[in-house]
Amino acid sequence: NAGVTQTPKFQVLKTGQSMTLQCAQDMNHNSMYWYRQDPGMGLRLIYYSASEGTTDKGEVPNGYNVSRLNKREFSLRLESAAPSQTSVYFCASSVGSDPDTQYFGPGTRLTVL
Amino acid sequence: AQKITQTQPGMFVQEKEAVTLDCTYDTSDPSYGLFWYKQPSSGEMIFLIYQGSYDQQNATEGRYSLNFQKARKSANLVISASQLGDSAMYFCAMRRFRRGSTLGRLYFGRGTQLTVWP
Repeated sequence: NAGVTQTPKFQVLKTGQSMTLQCAQDMNHNSMYWYRQDPGMGLRLIYYSASEGTTDKGEVPNGYNVSRLNKREFSLRLESAAPSQTSVYFCASSVGSDPDTQYFGPGTRLTVL
Repeated sequence: AQKITQTQPGMFVQEKEAVTLDCTYDTSDPSYGLFWYKQPSSGEMIFLIYQGSYDQQNATEGRYSLNFQKARKSANLVISASQLGDSAMYFCAMRRFRRGSTLGRLYFGRGTQLTVWP
């Protein structure tokens, strides 16, 4: 039981390049989330998926797209990376009902040059 | 707007002592949940403890307890008998809950860096 897994762990991009961050969970959770963490800040929600087949914008969605591929997998795509997207990205999942505790993956450290 | 405030950027505590990490929140929703997460230097986010707004008793999980004062809108984390391994960043977070929906997000504070010294 791996919980929430994310790939890759580290990535360096040049401005304008695209990439997809992968996330998978094996806890049979309904809801999945993507957050970013910047230095000195808490986590901010980028997108979330309350259930398979649905996605919604969070606090900072600009420059990102997501795909809920199936119940297990939720990917985050950067179409044209910018230096402002340098951050640590966390995927999380939750069962989708109260108390709806979110469990996090190990994170992806992304640097955009 | 929802807001979580952690006023202590850094805290220091001697091993085996207790420490309280402060968290205040701002919401107009009657139903909400409060969470604490630990982020060690390795970077992962580890769930510690949860308190629901309608829970009558303060939550406890081993050495962690949550001092919930609803009228003051505070949800302080108390760590008893601190250990060197407790050194980490600690985040307070809140989730809204309305009409059967969790509304999909956690609102995080900026965190408190706890250092436990021998």
